[in-house]
Amino acid sequence: GAGVSQSPSNKVTEKGKDVELRCDPISGHTALYWYRQSLGQGLEFLIYFQGNSAPDKSGLPSDRFSAERTGGSVSTLTIQRTQQEDSAVYLCASSFTGGATTGELFFGEGSRLTVL
Amino acid sequence: AQSVTQLGSHVSVSEGALVLLRCNYSSSVPPYLFWYVQYPNQGLQLLLKYTTGATLVKGINGFEAEFKKSETSFHLTKPSAHMSDAAEYFCAVSSNSGYSTLTFGKGTMLLVSP
Repeated sequence: GAGVSQSPSNKVTEKGKDVELRCDPISGHTALYWYRQSLGQGLEFLIYFQGNSAPDKSGLPSDRFSAERTGGSVSTLTIQRTQQEDSAVYLCASSFTGGATTGELFFGEGSRLTVL
Repeated sequence: AQSVTQLGSHVSVSEGALVLLRCNYSSSVPPYLFWYVQYPNQGLQLLLKYTTGATLVKGINGFEAEFKKSETSFHLTKPSAHMSDAAEYFCAVSSNSGYSTLTFGKGTMLLVSP
């Protein structure tokens, strides 16, 4: 597609359930990022992929969070045993080169997760 | 380590008035600086960026920002606000040290009244 695609756009789940969030980056973009946006907290970095490798996963808040990327393309962010504090908008972004030196990350519209 | 501080979670202006959104950064290496805008229910998009060279940079929709190293600032301005400028604005910093991720500020919501 023309832009970064994320699914689902909205997800409501019960506390304790596992969720998977999907990101389909722009074709040819080698770098992929996950951020979390909570009300009043701005954007919190979660993880960065270069190809299928994750050289920086320092932002993952706990071991309940994991992410993978396959084929240098689609990425999945998995949250196990969801908690209410996981409720947020999860944003995916991609860029043509590794790192942020080019400056322009292309963002998807996000997946809004609500944990009841 | 790098960080960004945006002063004011909300800024209100009248249509036609000057827009000034403040951003200060902290970085141990020469920074790259960015402003992104997020319209309601949309993803973020790049407004403008400073990497090297001219310290006054111009972006889309009439916005500009000036990198001031001595003040560690990168404030965003627009001479005359338009109703369509109402959105949330994020300042971000990265660096040219190997790979680098963008570190964002907490955002400033710009409200424009008629």
